Amino acid sequence: ILNVEQSPQSLHVQEGDSTNFTCSFPSSNFYALHWYRWETAKSPEALFVMTLNGDEKKKGRISATLNTKEGYSYLYIKGSQPEDSATYLCAFRGGSNYKLTFGKGTLLTVNP
Amino acid sequence: DAGVIQSPRHEVTEMGQEVTLRCKPISGHDYLFWYRQTMMRGLELLIYFNNNVPIDDSGMPEDRFSAKMPNASFSTLKIQPSEPRDSAVYFCASGRDTYNSPLHFGNGTRLTVT
Repeated sequence: ILNVEQSPQSLHVQEGDSTNFTCSFPSSNFYALHWYRWETAKSPEALFVMTLNGDEKKKGRISATLNTKEGYSYLYIKGSQPEDSATYLCAFRGGSNYKLTFGKGTLLTVNP
Repeated sequence: DAGVIQSPRHEVTEMGQEVTLRCKPISGHDYLFWYRQTMMRGLELLIYFNNNVPIDDSGMPEDRFSAKMPNASFSTLKIQPSEPRDSAVYFCASGRDTYNSPLHFGNGTRLTVT
């Protein structure tokens, strides 16, 4: 059973704060690490797919880094806005088969 | 691109009844996945298909669950007989067979078994 852990489980920040959360995954047999954003009553939407150690990806105020040797990825949100409130999921893909194992997510609430 | 389409959006049924959930993946996607979301376990993979062939069904809880993909544009997840503990949101997702492709999720089916 693959262990994909996300921390913290939940997070409350004020509008304008910058924040980050962590995804840890097995450091062996790495193929890809996915980040998804999941708003309440909607479906998860892909943010990033990261494949190389040292990868950094950015989309607007959201960015992510990847360390495959130690098995972790960070997601950063700069200047949080209320519309950033969502659950952020990471998913580990080990090996070339397309099976993703999801973490339980970090629930972010941004207070105006 | 209409996205992944699931039906129904909501299903309420009585214990013991058969339930069929439906999914139409994005055209051209090689992979189709069925996930179940619960508070306790988060998003757990039930089964996935590659080119309509089931690859891994180790996440299917028990024999009451079955899934089929008769062609590239349609899949079903069936629960027979349904039980209250099957109540959850069931997501279908599809993806392409490349190393950096994300999954595309449908809107989910919220199943309530009373």
